[in-house]
Amino acid sequence: QQQVKQSPQSLIVQKGGISIINCAYENTAFDYFPWYQQFPGKGPALLIAIRPDVSEKKEGRFTISFNKSAKQFSLHIMDSQPGDSATYFCAANNFNKFYFGSGTKLNVKP
Amino acid sequence: DTAVSQTPKYLVTQMGNDKSIKCEQNLGHDTMYWYKQDSKKFLKIMFSYNNKELIINETVPNRFSPKSPDKAHLNLHINSLELGDSAVYFCASSQDVLGVGELFFGEGSRLTVL
Repeated sequence: QQQVKQSPQSLIVQKGGISIINCAYENTAFDYFPWYQQFPGKGPALLIAIRPDVSEKKEGRFTISFNKSAKQFSLHIMDSQPGDSATYFCAANNFNKFYFGSGTKLNVKP
Repeated sequence: DTAVSQTPKYLVTQMGNDKSIKCEQNLGHDTMYWYKQDSKKFLKIMFSYNNKELIINETVPNRFSPKSPDKAHLNLHINSLELGDSAVYFCASSQDVLGVGELFFGEGSRLTVL
């Protein structure tokens, strides 16, 4: 049973556009929601993270929107660039266990 | 200087063999993990150690045995390899034992079982 559901599986965006990736969870005990970025042949690296006591967090072009009542959170990438092309994973944490979404492969076309 | 390093990066072996993957972190973190990433890119936790003590053991077959000689090292030994073990195995570390800190991943060890 997948604890965190992520969509879409893949995404193609034109350079300068907005990329949006969505995640949903069921376990209300989750208390930390990071997004990881993975380039081919590399390990995932933390991009941005949020706690459930805030509804939005922005770092540069990356924004997490968090809806606690709907148990959903999303990653928005503004002004998407070809260098953003990677696989993105949402995750949720509960007592040292990180549960990852299935990943979204983002392709930003020049 | 690599923060979390794994060896080997690639491993090709026959079914039934035994193999090990080594992991070292130089970040001074107390908690280390093994994750498995399958062909569909799904990342699943296998084990977690805090200061050499096993704290998470997900439903992983007994053929997988982690060993942590000290808090900077976490190795993974796999006995009697099966085709389904083919995956990329990631070592990771974090400072916060409750897991709300950042996970630092190694570059992965791609295991192919023939």
